[in-house]
Amino acid sequence: QQQVKQSPQSLIVQKGGISIINCAYENTAFDYFPWYQQFPGKGPALLIAIRPDVSEKKEGRFTISFNKSAKQFSLHIMDSQPGDSATYFCAARSGATNKLIFGTGTLLAVQP
Amino acid sequence: DGGITQSPKYLFRKEGQNVTLSCEQNLNHDAMYWYRQDPGQGLRLIYYSQIVNDFQKGDIAEGYSVSREKKESFPLTVTSAQKNPTAFYLCASSIASGTGGEAFFGQGTRLTVV
Repeated sequence: QQQVKQSPQSLIVQKGGISIINCAYENTAFDYFPWYQQFPGKGPALLIAIRPDVSEKKEGRFTISFNKSAKQFSLHIMDSQPGDSATYFCAARSGATNKLIFGTGTLLAVQP
Repeated sequence: DGGITQSPKYLFRKEGQNVTLSCEQNLNHDAMYWYRQDPGQGLRLIYYSQIVNDFQKGDIAEGYSVSREKKESFPLTVTSAQKNPTAFYLCASSIASGTGGEAFFGQGTRLTVV
Protein backbone atom coordinates (compact mmCIF):
# COMPACT_ATOMS: atom_id res chain seq x y z
CA GLN A 1 0.00 0.00 0.00
CA GLN A 2 3.01 2.26 0.46
CA GLN A 3 4.39 1.66 -3.02
CA VAL A 4 4.47 3.99 -5.96
CA LYS A 5 4.62 2.12 -9.27
CA GLN A 6 6.34 3.88 -12.17
CA SER A 7 6.50 3.06 -15.88
CA PRO A 8 8.18 2.76 -18.29
CA GLN A 9 11.61 1.85 -16.94
CA SER A 10 13.25 3.53 -19.93
CA LEU A 11 12.08 5.77 -22.74
CA ILE A 12 13.60 6.97 -26.00
CA VAL A 13 12.06 10.03 -27.63
CA GLN A 14 13.04 12.07 -30.65
CA LYS A 15 13.87 15.72 -30.21
CA GLY A 16 10.67 17.76 -30.29
CA GLY A 17 8.51 14.82 -29.28
CA ILE A 18 6.40 14.28 -26.16
CA SER A 19 7.75 12.19 -23.28
CA ILE A 20 5.15 10.57 -21.04
CA ILE A 21 5.89 8.83 -17.74
CA ASN A 22 3.19 7.24 -15.61
CA CYS A 23 2.83 6.49 -11.90
CA ALA A 24 0.21 4.77 -9.78
CA TYR A 25 -0.32 4.58 -6.03
CA GLU A 26 -2.60 2.82 -3.55
CA ASN A 27 -2.41 4.81 -0.33
CA THR A 28 -5.15 7.44 -0.21
CA ALA A 29 -3.30 9.21 2.62
CA PHE A 30 -0.80 10.60 0.10
CA ASP A 31 -1.35 14.34 -0.27
CA TYR A 32 1.59 15.58 -2.31
CA PHE A 33 2.93 14.20 -5.58
CA PRO A 34 6.26 15.59 -6.83
CA TRP A 35 8.39 14.69 -9.84
CA TYR A 36 12.16 14.78 -9.61
CA GLN A 37 14.86 14.94 -12.27
CA GLN A 38 18.26 13.38 -11.67
CA PHE A 39 21.45 13.63 -13.69
CA PRO A 40 24.23 11.05 -13.24
CA GLY A 41 26.18 11.43 -10.01
CA LYS A 42 23.90 14.18 -8.70
CA GLY A 43 21.07 14.36 -6.22
CA PRO A 44 17.51 14.57 -7.56
CA ALA A 45 16.01 18.04 -8.07
CA LEU A 46 12.33 18.93 -7.90
CA LEU A 47 10.79 19.45 -11.33
CA ILE A 48 7.10 19.98 -10.63
CA ALA A 49 4.58 18.89 -7.99
CA ILE A 50 0.82 18.60 -7.58
CA ARG A 51 -1.73 18.14 -4.80
CA PRO A 52 -4.79 15.88 -5.22
CA ASP A 53 -7.29 18.75 -5.37
CA VAL A 54 -5.92 19.74 -8.79
CA SER A 55 -6.23 17.65 -11.98
CA GLU A 56 -3.46 19.29 -13.96
CA LYS A 57 -0.48 21.56 -13.39
CA LYS A 58 1.74 23.04 -16.06
CA GLU A 59 5.13 24.69 -15.73
CA GLY A 60 6.77 25.53 -19.00
CA ARG A 61 7.20 22.34 -21.03
CA PHE A 62 6.35 20.12 -18.05
CA THR A 63 2.80 19.08 -17.17
CA ILE A 64 1.46 16.81 -14.44
CA SER A 65 -1.91 15.16 -15.04
CA PHE A 66 -3.58 13.78 -11.91
CA ASN A 67 -6.48 11.30 -11.79
CA LYS A 68 -7.56 10.96 -8.16
CA SER A 69 -10.22 8.32 -8.76
CA ALA A 70 -7.80 6.08 -10.66
CA LYS A 71 -4.93 6.88 -8.24
CA GLN A 72 -2.67 7.69 -11.15
CA PHE A 73 -0.56 10.64 -12.18
CA SER A 74 1.70 11.29 -15.11
CA LEU A 75 4.43 13.63 -16.31
CA HIS A 76 4.34 15.01 -19.84
CA ILE A 77 7.41 16.71 -21.29
CA MET A 78 6.48 18.66 -24.39
CA ASP A 79 9.00 19.50 -27.11
CA SER A 80 11.55 17.18 -25.52
CA GLN A 81 15.17 18.28 -25.83
CA PRO A 82 18.47 16.38 -25.55
CA GLY A 83 19.13 18.31 -22.32
CA ASP A 84 16.07 16.63 -20.83
CA SER A 85 17.90 13.29 -20.96
CA ALA A 86 17.98 12.19 -17.32
CA THR A 87 16.31 9.86 -14.86
CA TYR A 88 12.86 10.94 -13.70
CA PHE A 89 11.26 9.85 -10.43
CA CYS A 90 7.70 10.26 -9.30
CA ALA A 91 7.06 10.37 -5.57
CA ALA A 92 4.24 10.57 -3.05
CA ARG A 93 4.14 11.85 0.49
CA SER A 94 1.80 11.10 3.36
CA GLY A 95 0.74 14.29 5.08
CA ALA A 96 0.24 12.49 8.38
CA THR A 97 3.73 11.03 8.64
CA ASN A 98 5.84 13.08 6.20
CA LYS A 99 6.98 9.76 4.73
CA LEU A 100 8.16 10.41 1.14
CA ILE A 101 8.16 7.39 -1.18
CA PHE A 102 9.68 7.24 -4.66
CA GLY A 103 8.95 5.27 -7.79
CA THR A 104 11.66 3.16 -9.43
CA GLY A 105 12.59 5.81 -11.98
CA THR A 106 12.47 6.25 -15.75
CA LEU A 107 15.62 6.74 -17.77
CA LEU A 108 14.77 9.18 -20.55
CA ALA A 109 16.96 9.57 -23.63
CA VAL A 110 16.07 12.31 -26.09
CA GLN A 111 17.72 11.74 -29.44
CA PRO A 112 18.81 14.76 -31.49
CA ASP B 1 24.39 29.40 0.63
CA GLY B 2 21.34 27.52 1.83
CA GLY B 3 21.17 23.83 1.16
CA ILE B 4 22.03 20.31 2.18
CA THR B 5 25.60 19.15 2.53
CA GLN B 6 26.55 15.51 2.47
CA SER B 7 30.02 14.31 3.26
CA PRO B 8 32.14 12.64 2.23
CA LYS B 9 31.38 12.38 -1.47
CA TYR B 10 33.15 9.01 -1.69
CA LEU B 11 33.63 6.53 1.12
CA PHE B 12 35.31 3.17 1.25
CA ARG B 13 34.51 0.64 3.93
CA LYS B 14 36.24 -2.54 4.88
CA GLU B 15 34.25 -5.64 5.70
CA GLY B 16 33.01 -5.56 9.30
CA GLN B 17 33.43 -1.81 9.78
CA ASN B 18 30.82 0.72 10.77
CA VAL B 19 30.86 3.98 8.85
CA THR B 20 28.93 7.21 9.36
CA LEU B 21 27.65 9.44 6.58
CA SER B 22 27.11 13.09 7.40
CA CYS B 23 24.10 15.20 6.40
CA GLU B 24 23.73 18.84 7.40
CA GLN B 25 21.07 21.33 6.32
CA ASN B 26 20.72 25.07 6.92
CA LEU B 27 17.23 25.38 5.46
CA ASN B 28 15.50 25.26 8.87
CA HIS B 29 13.60 22.17 7.71
CA ASP B 30 11.87 19.95 10.22
CA ALA B 31 11.82 16.72 8.21
CA MET B 32 14.92 14.86 7.05
CA TYR B 33 15.32 11.64 5.08
CA TRP B 34 17.92 9.06 4.08
CA TYR B 35 17.59 7.09 0.84
CA ARG B 36 19.62 4.39 -0.77
CA GLN B 37 19.89 4.30 -4.56
CA ASP B 38 20.83 1.18 -6.49
CA PRO B 39 20.68 0.84 -10.28
CA GLY B 40 17.17 -0.02 -11.45
CA GLN B 41 15.66 0.20 -7.96
CA GLY B 42 15.01 3.88 -7.58
CA LEU B 43 15.29 5.57 -4.19
CA ARG B 44 14.48 3.38 -1.23
CA LEU B 45 13.74 4.99 2.12
CA ILE B 46 16.05 3.96 4.98
CA TYR B 47 15.02 6.29 7.82
CA TYR B 48 13.19 9.57 8.18
CA SER B 49 12.71 12.10 10.93
CA GLN B 50 9.93 14.62 11.40
CA ILE B 51 11.37 16.44 14.40
CA VAL B 52 14.43 16.50 16.62
CA ASN B 53 14.93 13.42 18.81
CA ASP B 54 12.43 11.40 16.79
CA PHE B 55 12.84 9.18 13.74
CA GLN B 56 11.07 6.30 12.02
CA LYS B 57 12.23 3.30 10.05
CA GLY B 58 11.69 3.35 6.33
CA ASP B 59 11.41 0.35 4.04
CA ILE B 60 15.02 -0.91 4.33
CA ALA B 61 16.21 0.11 7.82
CA GLU B 62 17.96 -3.16 8.71
CA GLY B 63 21.70 -2.67 9.12
CA TYR B 64 21.43 1.10 9.46
CA SER B 65 21.06 3.51 12.38
CA VAL B 66 20.44 7.25 12.66
CA SER B 67 20.25 10.01 15.25
CA ARG B 68 18.57 13.41 15.25
CA GLU B 69 20.04 15.38 18.12
CA LYS B 70 19.98 18.68 16.25
CA LYS B 71 17.53 20.05 13.72
CA GLU B 72 20.33 20.67 11.24
CA SER B 73 21.94 17.24 11.37
CA PHE B 74 20.82 13.69 10.53
CA PRO B 75 23.82 11.33 10.35
CA LEU B 76 23.45 7.80 9.02
CA THR B 77 25.57 4.91 10.31
CA VAL B 78 25.99 1.90 8.08
CA THR B 79 26.73 -0.95 10.45
CA SER B 80 28.51 -4.24 9.85
CA ALA B 81 25.07 -5.88 9.91
CA GLN B 82 24.32 -4.35 6.50
CA LYS B 83 25.50 -7.14 4.21
CA ASN B 84 25.42 -5.25 0.92
CA PRO B 85 26.18 -1.60 1.69
CA THR B 86 27.72 -0.60 -1.63
CA ALA B 87 25.33 2.04 -2.99
CA PHE B 88 24.69 5.74 -3.55
CA TYR B 89 23.23 7.34 -0.41
CA LEU B 90 21.09 10.46 -0.59
CA CYS B 91 19.95 12.73 2.22
CA ALA B 92 17.00 15.09 1.86
CA SER B 93 15.05 17.57 3.92
CA SER B 94 11.69 19.30 3.68
CA ILE B 95 9.42 21.61 5.61
CA ALA B 96 6.45 20.10 7.40
CA SER B 97 3.56 18.90 5.25
CA GLY B 98 0.63 21.24 4.76
CA THR B 99 2.87 24.25 4.22
CA GLY B 100 4.64 23.22 1.04
CA GLY B 101 6.53 20.03 0.79
CA GLU B 102 9.43 20.27 -1.61
CA ALA B 103 12.25 17.96 -0.56
CA PHE B 104 15.75 19.20 -1.25
CA PHE B 105 18.51 16.65 -1.81
CA GLY B 106 22.20 16.65 -1.11
CA GLN B 107 24.70 15.58 -3.74
CA GLY B 108 25.03 12.10 -2.30
CA THR B 109 27.71 9.85 -0.84
CA ARG B 110 28.93 6.87 -2.83
CA LEU B 111 29.85 4.07 -0.45
CA THR B 112 31.97 1.16 -1.63
CA VAL B 113 32.94 -1.92 0.34
CA VAL B 114 36.54 -2.97 -0.31
